Amino acid sequence: EVQLVESGGGLVQPGGSLRLSCAASGFTFSGYWMYWVRQAPGKGLVWVSRINPDGTRTTYADSVKGRITFSRDNAKNTLYLQMNSLRDEDTAVYYCARGFFYDSIDYWGQGTLVTVSS
Amino acid sequence: EIVLTQSPGTLSLSPGERGTLSCRASQSVRDNHLTWYQQKPGQAPRLLIYGASNRATGIPDRFSGSGSGTDFTLTISRLEPEDFAMYYCQQCGDSPEITFGQGTRLEIK
Repeated sequence: EVQLVESGGGLVQPGGSLRLSCAASGFTFSGYWMYWVRQAPGKGLVWVSRINPDGTRTTYADSVKGRITFSRDNAKNTLYLQMNSLRDEDTAVYYCARGFFYDSIDYWGQGTLVTVSS
Repeated sequence: EIVLTQSPGTLSLSPGERGTLSCRASQSVRDNHLTWYQQKPGQAPRLLIYGASNRATGIPDRFSGSGSGTDFTLTISRLEPEDFAMYYCQQCGDSPEITFGQGTRLEIK
């Protein structure tokens, strides 16, 4: 069974940093593109970043470019999202997810809430 | 960046009725890489349709997707109580950007 379990969310002050993790199991992790998608409270889905299977290519939404780094450790079946210079508007549930067909997403984690507030 | 506009914002229907949800793109979606998701409160999204018209594994055949270019439709032939939820479209053809529509809320009338 495919499982994606996020951790690391919490309350952080504006300008602060946070690192999210996503532990994957139940599939050949090193063979898949992986994604982060976020959802602000009561709002829609917003793509944040993607990473290729071997971790050598990443792309970011303009809203987070330069502040967020997406990485993966295929030996540990784990994704990381390092978030710096956090802003109020980064407050959201962050989902890690598995790519399926041309950036379609077939499995999602349960999400971890990041709250940026003073 | 391709902007996706979903309509209507809210659709009020009764169980057993047919639901038709629209997703319009600001420019043509390359190779019709258009995806539909369902999301219920407090849950992660669920993949329904990919490549505009392909049902994902385990999705009932009452869900169907159609369209090409800039106009796409998700149709639910006969609504079941569990189908009342939020629905999002996503375009996957405008690399590097991935965009979602703002969503359609399907509610019980």
